[in-house]
Amino acid sequence: KQEVTQIPAALSVPEGENLVLNCSFTDSAIYNLQWFRQDPGKGLTSLLLIQSSQREQTSGRLNASLDKSSGRSTLYIAASQPGDSATYLCAVSPDSGNTPLVFGKGTRLSVIA
Amino acid sequence: GAVVSQHPSRVICKSGTSVKIECRSLDFQATTMFWYRQFPKKSLMLMATSNEGSKATYEQGVEKDKFLINHASLTLSTLTVTSAHPEDSSFYICSPGREPNYGYTFGSGTRLTVV
Repeated sequence: KQEVTQIPAALSVPEGENLVLNCSFTDSAIYNLQWFRQDPGKGLTSLLLIQSSQREQTSGRLNASLDKSSGRSTLYIAASQPGDSATYLCAVSPDSGNTPLVFGKGTRLSVIA
Repeated sequence: GAVVSQHPSRVICKSGTSVKIECRSLDFQATTMFWYRQFPKKSLMLMATSNEGSKATYEQGVEKDKFLINHASLTLSTLTVTSAHPEDSSFYICSPGREPNYGYTFGSGTRLTVV
């Protein structure tokens, strides 16, 4: 059974710092991996989608990497801002079908001005 | 990605009443809809998977008679919490099936409080 772990569970950094959020998964046979952002009381916003054949994806200050063989992904946030404060969720898709995502428990990020 | 509209965003109801949550896929034909539940500071827990025109598949431990799911069209799925109790208070989120090259999209969620 696929399990997704996110470390750390919570992180507090001063504004301007670069930071890395970690995600690991136990079964390397994934179709793709998706990073989401969730603000308190809100739904999920997709940040980046990495296909299993890709090594990384970038969007603005965000960069996500994928090492499928070792079961790891990282989300790198450059020059963090208070507006980045949210919970970041990592989720893996086990196959190409309409199969539900397997989520980690998330990393709660606070960026202090 | 797909535009997903979920209503209401927040609802307070009395114990014993029923509440209906709607999830509309505005620009994507959702043959499948996933319904999740999220407790405070916890991750999403899949409750059920619905397929348009057929009965939903419920995860272990989720009461199908309490959480009624209807997916009668490709654009609308509903979750009805019947005879709600305080322990049903939670955050409910829907997600239509996978979009090619984009992945999964989610509704904005519904905060249900049963008093």
